[in-house]
Amino acid sequence: GAVVSQHPSRVICKSGTSVKIECRSLDFQATTMFWYRQFPKQSLMLMATSNEGSKATYEQGVEKDKFLINHASLTLSTLTVTSAHPEDSSFYICSAHMPGTHDGYTFGSGTRLTVV
Amino acid sequence: AQSVTQLDSHVSVSEGTPVLLRCNYSSSYSPSLFWYVQHPNKGLQLLLKYTSAATLVKGINGFEAEFKKSETSFHLTKPSAHMSDAAEYFCVLMDSSYKLIFGSGTRLLVRP
Repeated sequence: GAVVSQHPSRVICKSGTSVKIECRSLDFQATTMFWYRQFPKQSLMLMATSNEGSKATYEQGVEKDKFLINHASLTLSTLTVTSAHPEDSSFYICSAHMPGTHDGYTFGSGTRLTVV
Repeated sequence: AQSVTQLDSHVSVSEGTPVLLRCNYSSSYSPSLFWYVQHPNKGLQLLLKYTSAATLVKGINGFEAEFKKSETSFHLTKPSAHMSDAAEYFCVLMDSSYKLIFGSGTRLLVRP
């Protein structure tokens, strides 16, 4: 079945530094990937839609200069949290849409980011 | 606008008893609906999905859900809860641009 690998699973960084999270589709090519953020005991909120070879589409209220998304290949999308602050601490999850399907989505296992 | 409402933030059941997790949706077109499960600090696993085929959808681990257009509901059920079912469950609607809209989640607690 379709597998999406997300790394790292956990990361701790200092305030002011940048952190990159990778999302890879292992056995299919994903032209569209999605990045979500999940606060403790809350639901997933869509941050942005990542399209291979073009600029990401950000949801309202998401700072695109802070959350940089790159989708340079059909199997890899990255989310970089720039100049991280403690309030950026959260659980970030990616999802890939399977081409040719109407409703085929596969989720990564998530990344727990802690900014100290 | 499309939306999803999960009516219970927490549901507690005894092991071996039935599970009912409620979900209502709002959509101007025939929706695609999903149920996902999330264990602590993990990603999401698809339990089942409805895409305008049979209204009773069977999923993994004994779960099923029934799409009721007249009630705009898509409740998740399981005849007999197992301890391993304890997790967070999300009802999800796919919108017209293929974005997923998540409900607020229901935490299922299973008592021994």
